[in-house]
Amino acid sequence: DVKVTQSSRYLVKRTGEKVFLECVQDMDHENMFWYRQDPGLGLRLIYFSYDVKMKEKGDIPEGYSVSREKKERFSLILESASTNQTSMYLCASSLWSRGRNTAGENTDTQYFGPGTRLTVL
Amino acid sequence: GQNIDQPTEMTATEGAIVQINCTYQTSGFNGLFWYQQHAGEAPTFLSYNVLDGLEEKGRFSSFLSRSKGYSYLLLKELQMKDSASYLCAVRGQGGATNKLIFGTGTLLAVQP
Repeated sequence: DVKVTQSSRYLVKRTGEKVFLECVQDMDHENMFWYRQDPGLGLRLIYFSYDVKMKEKGDIPEGYSVSREKKERFSLILESASTNQTSMYLCASSLWSRGRNTAGENTDTQYFGPGTRLTVL
Repeated sequence: GQNIDQPTEMTATEGAIVQINCTYQTSGFNGLFWYQQHAGEAPTFLSYNVLDGLEEKGRFSSFLSRSKGYSYLLLKELQMKDSASYLCAVRGQGGATNKLIFGTGTLLAVQP
């Protein structure tokens, strides 16, 4: 089974603090993603990475940065937290793009971590 | 622009059948996913369609019509545990990574 873990389920921080959210996957997946989920807005992609030290901006990268020093770990960084960054943050990973693996599973499928509910006061 | 539409909420009765629709307008199409998300939990993968037609997996089936930009998720023999949000997501563009565009989800309430 694919396992994606996130460092915290709940986090409370103050405005201006630097915040680190960690995500680890144990299935040797190439791709990793960070989303935020807000009521009425759905899941929105912040950043993604398709290889170690590689990153690309998603739809809402402003106010965030990421780091991928090792294949299994993808970190989301809020440089200076603001109240509008209060949200549920979800990490996901996928094997690679297009095709099927030896088990016949679609390799595009993203597997999600349990989420971190961040509150910025 | 890119847009995915699904109903906000639906209600159904235990034991019945429910169909959740999803329409999409994206730049390119490289597959459609359905995810289930229980309150306070992470989305979990349900189904994937890339060709037209019906994919059946137990009580759940998913249908795709690429020409109409339309998909539905069919849930049979509804159980109380099926109460959840159902997310439609489209892989709209090609390239090295599989960026997905998500709809806002359909909250399904199953009643006794």
